[in-house]
Amino acid sequence: AQSVTQLDSQVPVFEEAPVELRCNYSSSVSVYLFWYVQYPNQGLQLLLKYLSGSTLVKGINGFEAEFNKSQTSFHLRKPSVHISDTAEYFCAVSVYNTNAGKSTFGDGTTLTVKP
Amino acid sequence: EPEVTQTPSHQVTQMGQEVILRCVPISNHLYFYWYRQILGQKVEFLVSFYNNEISEKSEIFDDQFSVERPDGSNFTLKIRSTKLEDSAMYFCASIRASIGNEQFFGPGTRLTVL
Repeated sequence: AQSVTQLDSQVPVFEEAPVELRCNYSSSVSVYLFWYVQYPNQGLQLLLKYLSGSTLVKGINGFEAEFNKSQTSFHLRKPSVHISDTAEYFCAVSVYNTNAGKSTFGDGTTLTVKP
Repeated sequence: EPEVTQTPSHQVTQMGQEVILRCVPISNHLYFYWYRQILGQKVEFLVSFYNNEISEKSEIFDDQFSVERPDGSNFTLKIRSTKLEDSAMYFCASIRASIGNEQFFGPGTRLTVL
């Protein structure tokens, strides 16, 4: 079974500061990794994904994440945040297996960007 | 760009009533999923569906739940007798399995059980 741990439940940060949201995962098989953003009362929007290849992936809205297999981490970063980045962020994994494919989500990190 | 759609966006029902949540996955996708998110909590897997049968389900997906693909486009989640604790956002997702496991999520249906 897979599990995802988002190490910070809440991250307050000032506008234009850098931010890192941490995600560790556990799995006995290879996985795909994802970050989603959820704005209040809205659905899940894919920020970025790691399927294979380069371990540094770039996503929408200036976010990027680095897959570290040895540390089983997939931390999300942004060099300069905006007020509009205030939202809930979810890290997720899914198994490298076309017969399964379900995603396992972390508990979420609430990013609050203050002026 | 093709997308997963869900109807209705918000459903209000009385406890004990049956509800059907509808999803139209992306047309060339083969695997379909339902997830649940109770307010303020994480997204939880309910069930996966492939080749007209359930391929995996979680412990949440008990006998009160069922899924169906009644035609070539719709994918439904039925809750037979709703409970207060079924109040949540329900997300449908689909995968085109031949291209990795990137799930495409619908916008969700917010179910409120009174």
